[in-house]
Amino acid sequence: QKEVEQDPGPLSVPEGAIVSLNCTYSNSAFQYFMWYRQYSRKGPELLMYTYSSGNKEDGRFTAQVDKSSKYISLFIRDSQPSDSATYLCAMRKQGGSEKLVFGKGTKLTVNP
Amino acid sequence: ETGVTQTPRHLVMGMTNKKSLKCEQHLGHNAMYWYKQSAKKPLELMFVYSLEERVENNSVPSRFSPECPNSSHLFLHLHTLQPEDSALYLCASSQGPSNTEAFFGQGTRLTVV
Repeated sequence: QKEVEQDPGPLSVPEGAIVSLNCTYSNSAFQYFMWYRQYSRKGPELLMYTYSSGNKEDGRFTAQVDKSSKYISLFIRDSQPSDSATYLCAMRKQGGSEKLVFGKGTKLTVNP
Repeated sequence: ETGVTQTPRHLVMGMTNKKSLKCEQHLGHNAMYWYKQSAKKPLELMFVYSLEERVENNSVPSRFSPECPNSSHLFLHLHTLQPEDSALYLCASSQGPSNTEAFFGQGTRLTVV
């Protein structure tokens, strides 16, 4: 079983829709959970990060972590065409030398 | 000018060539990374440098040779590559090797012919 599973999509939604992006993971030692956004021909940029379980909201974006189910989500409200990108989940364990483990990324297109 | 700058943006090289990728960060960070991004695969961490010391080498073939002359610059020297090495090579930096927030460059799209 891969450490981090993410459906690559593609996912296509109309403008204004609520988007739900998800990752599952197998390693219960993961404590830091991140979402990166990568536009075409660009490097990934950190969108949100959460430590341990719970929710975090930033504008139209909400990140949720359910450690009991080993499941993380990113919700995008009122999606815009400018949200069209690939969204990568990433996570790592506690500790100074631990590396980020990435999902494959989900390609999202928001149609006007 | 972004915080992390990579050159060149695109590179086509033959299997017998030698080339180098360059990365420069303007963020005052202490850790720098090389990642490989291939289609339909997760980002693969290749090398980690912290304060110019290599702290991680993820079983990367010796045809990839990193160099970190100072905390702002990182190179990836390439020689005798294979077509399967064609990918997007991303450089990133962070405040420290355990820092959650890594800043990425735009990447070098490498094609090996």
